[in-house]
Amino acid sequence: DAGVIQSPRHEVTEMGQEVTLRCKPISGHNSLFWYRQTMMRGLELLIYFNNNVPIDDSGMPEDRFSAKMPNASFSTLKIQPSEPRDSAVYFCASSPGTESAQYFGPGTRLLVL
Amino acid sequence: GEDVEQSLFLSVREGDSSVINCTYTDSSSTYLYWYKQEPGAGLQLLTYIFSNMDMKQDQRLTVLLNKKDKHLSLRIADTQTGDSAIYFCAEKTGNQGGKLIFGQGTELSVKP
Repeated sequence: DAGVIQSPRHEVTEMGQEVTLRCKPISGHNSLFWYRQTMMRGLELLIYFNNNVPIDDSGMPEDRFSAKMPNASFSTLKIQPSEPRDSAVYFCASSPGTESAQYFGPGTRLLVL
Repeated sequence: GEDVEQSLFLSVREGDSSVINCTYTDSSSTYLYWYKQEPGAGLQLLTYIFSNMDMKQDQRLTVLLNKKDKHLSLRIADTQTGDSAIYFCAEKTGNQGGKLIFGQGTELSVKP
C-alpha cells in the first residue's frame, strides 16, 4: 500500500500568495484529517472529514484557511492569502473509520516569507 | 478540557530499556496511541491500546495503562540508536468523534 500521499513536500512562497496543499488518503479509508505542526504549538488538528463531509473544522485558524474533499481519494487545504505565521509542517492523515487509528502522510513543509 | 502531558526529553544508552511516560485527563478515553516521528518525517503509528486493557506487548514494545491514575507508558526494550526520535502519546476520547489529542512529544536520544 502506498500510504498517505501529500504534495508538494516542500513549499516556499511569499506573503500574500495562495497556497494549496494536496492529500491522497489510503484507499478504502473514509476519514481524513489535516494537522499543523509547529515548535510553539505542537500538533494541532485543523479539520477532519468523514465520508468526504467536513465534521469538525473548529481548529481552522481563520477564514484564510479552507479545506475541501471533492471525492474519497483527494483533499486540499488552501491558504489565501498566506502569512509568515502560517509557516509550519502540514500533515494529512487517514483512517478506516473515526474509531480507528490514524495513518499520517510525510507532511508538507511550508515556508511563507 | 482534554490534556495530554509528556516529559520533553529522555536520554538512554544503547541496549538499555527506555520508558516514556504520558498522563491524560479525560476519563472517557477509548483508545490511546503511541506514534514515532523521525527527523523530517511524518508520524508513524507504533502501537495502541484499548482503554479496557492494562498491557499490550509487541516485540520490543510494551504499553502499560493505568486507567485509575490516567497514566500510559511505552517501554522499549534493548533500545537501539535507530530508536532515536520523538514519541507522541495521543488519546481518543469518547465524545470527540475521530479527534486525537496529542501530547507535546518526548525526544528520545540513544547514545552508543
